[in-house]
Amino acid sequence: GAVVSQHPSRVICKSGTSVKIECRSLDFQATTMFWYRQFPKQSLMLMATSNEGSKATYEQGVEKDKFLINHASLTLSTLTVTSAHPEDSSFYICSAKGQGATEAFFGQGTRLTVV
Amino acid sequence: AQSVTQPDIHITVSEGASLELRCNYSYGATPYLFWYVQSPGQGLQLLLKYFSGDTLVQGIKGFEAEFKRSQSSFNLRKPSVHWSDAAEYFCAVGAAGTASKLTFGTGTRLQVTL
Repeated sequence: GAVVSQHPSRVICKSGTSVKIECRSLDFQATTMFWYRQFPKQSLMLMATSNEGSKATYEQGVEKDKFLINHASLTLSTLTVTSAHPEDSSFYICSAKGQGATEAFFGQGTRLTVV
Repeated sequence: AQSVTQPDIHITVSEGASLELRCNYSYGATPYLFWYVQSPGQGLQLLLKYFSGDTLVQGIKGFEAEFKRSQSSFNLRKPSVHWSDAAEYFCAVGAAGTASKLTFGTGTRLQVTL
């Protein structure tokens, strides 16, 4: 299967700072990327969908000004958590899908801890 | 709206025993169905998927799942569980045709006793 790499795998930041998470498709062109959030012992919840070169589409209840998503190239999407607070601590996972593909491939996830 | 229900939050089986994890979905059209496994602190690994055709789907690691439209179910099975199968299992449904954004169930945590 295709490979999606997410970086960093773990990050600790201070409250009020911003954190950027990268999601890269290593061996295919990802026309669409998805960002999910997973709180401890809960399921994955879709935050937003991004198409290359377009603005991301956010799910209801997700603050677009707080979770900035950029999908500037066919191999890279970034999620920036701005002015992070402890309640933003979570596991963030991206997935990427190529044009016409029938499934998306997941990255390894990023564990964000805001202290 | 699509939804997925995994009725069992936690299941414990003995190594070598058979396993069945339940998944029920709600979707207005033909769904794309997936089973993923997640080890602690890790991302998701696709076990198997159903798009169309044969309703019994074979996946990796000896897992299989059967799509039953009449019951809106897509249960995951394995005839003989190994200790390394202990993990969290997620069932997910996506829109047919594009396999775009997925809706996940709440997951079933599998514990394997030796």
